[in-house]
Amino acid sequence: KAGVTQTPRYLIKTRGQQVTLSCSPISGHRSVSWYQQTPGQGLQFLFEYFSETQRNKGNFPGRFSGRQFSNSRSEMNVSTLELGDSALYLCASRQSISYEQYFGPGTRLTVT
Amino acid sequence: GDSVTQMEGPVTLSEEAFLTINCTYTATGYPSLFWYVQYPGEGLQLLLKATKADDKGSNKGFEATYRKETTSFHLEKGSVQVSDSAVYFCALHDSSNTGKLIFGQGTTLQVKP
Repeated sequence: KAGVTQTPRYLIKTRGQQVTLSCSPISGHRSVSWYQQTPGQGLQFLFEYFSETQRNKGNFPGRFSGRQFSNSRSEMNVSTLELGDSALYLCASRQSISYEQYFGPGTRLTVT
Repeated sequence: GDSVTQMEGPVTLSEEAFLTINCTYTATGYPSLFWYVQYPGEGLQLLLKATKADDKGSNKGFEATYRKETTSFHLEKGSVQVSDSAVYFCALHDSSNTGKLIFGQGTTLQVKP
């Protein structure tokens, strides 16, 4: 089975711009979660989508949003980028009956 | 809320040395516990898991036992290799939030030949 894929792998954006990241889960996995990884804050949960519905959300401002499509692919969007949004964004998928999550390679976002 | 605490790194070992990375947790209920590994420039790979007290997870020579009485899930390996050099994360499943993993801060392991 193919693993979780994320595109693009690297992005450079300017403050104030917006960005959209994409995640394709493992086939058959209907849950997709997003995490932000930074040296200072470590790994922090952003949100989870299941069957096109956001089920849970972490403690991030409303500039961070996401969605999920009927094929379980997910996108996250960050509007009005700030320097502090520079991070590795990871998505993970899981089967609905399991708690273990499988991660993609991440998208490295740099905001200048 | 739930939390995970890992030993501070970096940990530097010689090849074939014994490895222990300590992990303790605070949680309500009985969370599932995980160890993930991250190699440079990559995402997280699930290394092993345990879903209930006294369960032992194992994979690629690594082991960890779910100790409810000490709220611990220490990672061990009998003989490390240079290729084990990576960052290791202990994590628990947040029982109040099904899609959320709570991670420790990560422990960097460097193995020297």
